[in-house]
Amino acid sequence: TQLLEQSPQFLSIQEGENLTVYCNSSSVFSSLQWYRQEPGEGPVLLVTVVTGGEVKKLKRLTFQFGDARKDSSLHITAAQPGDTGLYLCAGDETGTASKLTFGTGTRLQVTL
Amino acid sequence: DTAVSQTPKYLVTQMGNDKSIKCEQNLGHDTMYWYKQDSKKFLKIMFSYNNKELIINETVPNRFSPKSPDKAHLNLHINSLELGDSAVYFCASSHRGPRYNEQFFGPGTRLTVL
Repeated sequence: TQLLEQSPQFLSIQEGENLTVYCNSSSVFSSLQWYRQEPGEGPVLLVTVVTGGEVKKLKRLTFQFGDARKDSSLHITAAQPGDTGLYLCAGDETGTASKLTFGTGTRLQVTL
Repeated sequence: DTAVSQTPKYLVTQMGNDKSIKCEQNLGHDTMYWYKQDSKKFLKIMFSYNNKELIINETVPNRFSPKSPDKAHLNLHINSLELGDSAVYFCASSHRGPRYNEQFFGPGTRLTVL
């Protein structure tokens, strides 16, 4: 079973700060997704990256897929309280049938 | 217009009981999933159905039995509930594509076994 390790596990920052969340694996993924989950709700897809080295931006969020497609990062600029939530990366295993392996999660809290 | 819906939202029951969770999606997707999220928020796939056919069956006790009456519905029946079954169960759906799939999740069912 492929394992996706996220770091840090917990992050508490003040509004306006920048942060980076990492998602690492020893395995190669055909694509990697980032989800955000708020309390009492299901995860919501933020972005999918499919090409090694790919960078995608979603407003203040920047996602990068590692060149070898084994890792990814999420950078948030000028964090806001609305960014609070559980961030999950998920890798799509190469050659398997629609199976996502989720990361261990990063819980982010942004305070005023 | 709920895309993926689950019922019930909360389920509290005694050990040994049998219970079911229902899931419906109106996105026209051909693939549906059940995930279990434990107390540490780790999300792990349990089952996946494509066009009513079981395609993923992870290491799950056979007390758990999924059923897909049609492409829009995937139900989960659990027999002889145990304390360790307490968790949040999420249903999800997607299109099964050639390169990647983007999954849409329901709101979850919080199961508490006493």
